[in-house]
Amino acid sequence: QKEVEQDPGPLSVPEGAIVSLNCTYSNSAFQYFMWYRQYSRKGPELLMYTYSSGNKEDGRFTAQVDKSSKYISLFIRDSQPSDSATYLCAMSREEGAQKLVFGQGTRLTINP
Amino acid sequence: EAGVAQSPRYKIIEKRQSVAFWCNPISGHATLYWYQQILGQGPKLLIQFQNNGVVDDSQLPKDRFSAERLKGVDSTLKIQPAKLEDSAVYLCASSLLLGAGQYFGPGTRLTVT
Repeated sequence: QKEVEQDPGPLSVPEGAIVSLNCTYSNSAFQYFMWYRQYSRKGPELLMYTYSSGNKEDGRFTAQVDKSSKYISLFIRDSQPSDSATYLCAMSREEGAQKLVFGQGTRLTINP
Repeated sequence: EAGVAQSPRYKIIEKRQSVAFWCNPISGHATLYWYQQILGQGPKLLIQFQNNGVVDDSQLPKDRFSAERLKGVDSTLKIQPAKLEDSAVYLCASSLLLGAGQYFGPGTRLTVT
């Protein structure tokens, strides 16, 4: 079993829809949780960073962490075609989020 | 603020040849990482440096991969000899010592034929 599981998709939704992306994990020691966005032929770009359980909002993006269920989510409101990318969840046990374990990535397409 | 720089962007070599990748991290970032990202997968950490010392190289195939960060700034990752399964994107990332996240370069896409 992989430490971090993420549905690879692909996921295709119409513009303006609310998108929900999810990851599950098996290691209860993970405390730091991140979401990265990766456009084709580019490096991952840090979107959201959260520590322990709870919610964090940044513009159209909301990250949720439920440590009791070992489940994290990223919600995108009012999705735009420019949001089309691969979204990677990542997590770490260590302070400063040093050693990251990534999910497989979910490929998302927003259709105009 | 300039981002993480990597070169070359693309490289095609034959199996058993050697190849080297270069990375220049964000100024002031003490921690540098090399990741391997195989098509359709998330990045996998190969090696982590803190200044010019190795913190974690547990997933680096040391029989063929090597990396150095001599002056605590730039880093080089080498593969010798390359195998077909080394075809991947090699990503460099950097972070502050106790940073809130890692910042990635554009990667080097390696194709081994």
